[in-house]
Amino acid sequence: QLQLQESGPGLVKPSETLSLTCSVSGGSISSTKNYWGWIRQPPGKGLEWIGSIYYSGSTDYNPSLQGRLTISLDTSKNQLSLKLSSVTAADTALYNCAGGRYYYASGFVDAFDVWGQGTMVAVSS
Amino acid sequence: EIVLTQSPGTLSLSPGERATLSCRASQSVSSDWLAWYQQKPGQAPRLLISGASSRATGIPDRFSGSGSVTDFTLTISRLEPEDFAVYYCQQYGSSPVTFGQGTRLEIK
Repeated sequence: QLQLQESGPGLVKPSETLSLTCSVSGGSISSTKNYWGWIRQPPGKGLEWIGSIYYSGSTDYNPSLQGRLTISLDTSKNQLSLKLSSVTAADTALYNCAGGRYYYASGFVDAFDVWGQGTMVAVSS
Repeated sequence: EIVLTQSPGTLSLSPGERATLSCRASQSVSSDWLAWYQQKPGQAPRLLISGASSRATGIPDRFSGSGSVTDFTLTISRLEPEDFAVYYCQQYGSSPVTFGQGTRLEIK
């Protein structure tokens, strides 16, 4: 049973870089059966997809964040990471990592069926 | 970008009643790659339905998904007290992945 756990600083200053990690247990982050993603939710608002990463390390980013965003895998630690640069108050949100099935033969993905509990990040001086 | 519009914004019903939630896409959703999630306060979203109509593991059969192309529906046949929550639709067939704004299902 896959389990995900996010971690990172709860407070980041404006213009700095937000860095989060997601530890995966119960399976390998480099498995061809899964893909991974980050989703955020500003307080009292809805869900926003940040980006996804595949076993090969290839990524797919939300265009609204492209240029500020890096998602990567650390296979030695079985973790995925998120780095978001030049943050503003608009980046204040609960950040979740999530995983879903990846169908290697077709390249298709399924919805996110496993989620971490999320980590709250506030951007403030 | 595919914009998903959920309606109604808030649905007030009583336990035992039937709930019908709508999700309309601005463009065709590729291969009906549409999912529904349930979110309760302080909890992560839980996958209910993927592929427009396939229930996720462990989801009770009172939850059902239907629809295709641009119009999708989540139906809860008989509401249980634990079903009152916020529901989101998501399309994952085209990049960027997008979510609807959510429907709040509240106890009447």
